[in-house]
Amino acid sequence: AQSVTQLDSHVSVSEGTPVLLRCNYSSSYSPSLFWYVQHPNKGLQLLLKYTSAATLVKGINGFEAEFKKSETSFHLTKPSAHMSDAAEYFCVVRGNNAGNMLTFGGGTRLMVKP
Amino acid sequence: DGGITQSPKYLFRKEGQNVTLSCEQNLNHDAMYWYRQDPGQGLRLIYYSQIVNDFQKGDIAEGYSVSREKKESFPLTVTSAQKNPTAFYLCATKGDRAYNEQFFGPGTRLTVL
Repeated sequence: AQSVTQLDSHVSVSEGTPVLLRCNYSSSYSPSLFWYVQHPNKGLQLLLKYTSAATLVKGINGFEAEFKKSETSFHLTKPSAHMSDAAEYFCVVRGNNAGNMLTFGGGTRLMVKP
Repeated sequence: DGGITQSPKYLFRKEGQNVTLSCEQNLNHDAMYWYRQDPGQGLRLIYYSQIVNDFQKGDIAEGYSVSREKKESFPLTVTSAQKNPTAFYLCATKGDRAYNEQFFGPGTRLTVL
C-alpha cells in the first residue's frame, strides 16, 4: 500500500520569496514520485519526477524537489516565487504494481501576493 | 495538455440522465485513465485501460462505465446510478515504459442540475 500526505492545504508567499510545499509519502518499496501543477479549470502538468536516479530533481519553471528516504519526504521548493506560480500543486506516488497506479496527495494551493 | 482532447469542457445534465464524456489522444499511448476530482481534493481513479478491448475498475468505479474499442479513444459514461456525479473529470494517458509519467487532458466539468 502507498499513501501521500501534503502537509499544508494552503501556502501563501510574497512574490520574490522562497516557496516550500511539503510532501511525505509511505510506500513498501522504492517509489517513483511526482509533482504536478494545476491551474484553475485546467488539466495537470508535470513539474518534475523522481525515479531512483539523482535525489535532487530539477523541474520546469525553476522548481526542484529533494527525495529524502530517511524522512520519507519529497518537498517541492523554488527560490523565488512569481505571480504565475499561483496554482494547486499535487504530490503523487506511483505504485510498482500492474498498471502503475498513481496515488495523489490532497493538494496544496499556493497563493502569491504582490 | 499535449495530445489529449476532452470534450466538452463544460457539461450540464439533468438528474437521472446518463452522459458520456469524450477522451481522445494522438500520443500512441496504450494506457489510458479516468480520474474524478472534487473541490479541495486530490484525484481518484475511476477506470483504467492498459490496452485496447481491456479495462479495469479503479477505486471509485460504481456508477460509471467505459469502453476501449480504439487505442485513441476511452469514453466515460456517467450513469444515473452515480449518486453524486458533479465533479471535474480528467483523462490521462501513459507511455509504454514503466518509468513514464502520466499526461493529463484539460478536463471536463460536469454539473448535475
